[in-house]
Amino acid sequence: GIQVEQSPPDLILQEGANSTLRCNFSDSVNNLQWFHQNPWGQLINLFYIPSGTKQNGRLSATTVATERYSLLYISSSQTTDSGVYFCAVGPGTASKLTFGTGTRLQVTL
Amino acid sequence: DTGVSQNPRHKITKRGQNVTFRCDPISEHNRLYWYRQTLGQGPEFLTYFQNEAQLEKSRLLSDRFSAERPKGSFSTLEIQRTEQGDSAMYLCASSLGTGRDTEAFFGQGTRLTVV
Repeated sequence: GIQVEQSPPDLILQEGANSTLRCNFSDSVNNLQWFHQNPWGQLINLFYIPSGTKQNGRLSATTVATERYSLLYISSSQTTDSGVYFCAVGPGTASKLTFGTGTRLQVTL
Repeated sequence: DTGVSQNPRHKITKRGQNVTFRCDPISEHNRLYWYRQTLGQGPEFLTYFQNEAQLEKSRLLSDRFSAERPKGSFSTLEIQRTEQGDSAMYLCASSLGTGRDTEAFFGQGTRLTVV
């Protein structure tokens, strides 16, 4: 099956700093989503981005499908950004999502 | 519609007991998925429905697990003869599928503890 690798596994930032999270995947995909999992376990949708670039406030994402990677940018980080960020991908002929192991982000004051 | 709803939010059960979880998807979504997440890992796919048809099951879904979506709306996931290894967060997601993959939305999950 498709493999998804996320880096870095852990990240500690001071409030106000910027960061880049990376997701590499092993095969072509027609679905790529970024999620933020809050401390209560809820997966919050950040981006649906199988290709191209999107921005939503302080967050933006870019997927280069031909090179099989996606990047999530967080600018001016806030303590509420803390949590685990997951990348999940789905191939074109199946509908299940395969998740990476996540990046655990801690934003400190 | 307020999103995907799962009940109960938490369940503590004794080993050997049966448990059932419920998922109500976003109303117009025809696809419904179940995932399981253990501590420190990403969610893992269990099974998937399109309308009332169960189209795919993971090998993670042992014979003790069964899922249904009888009228193409809500779904139930039952675990029989629970084991301590079943302790996990069970997540439900739904999406509006029109032939190609589309964005999935997750519920808040049911956290199962088997003692």
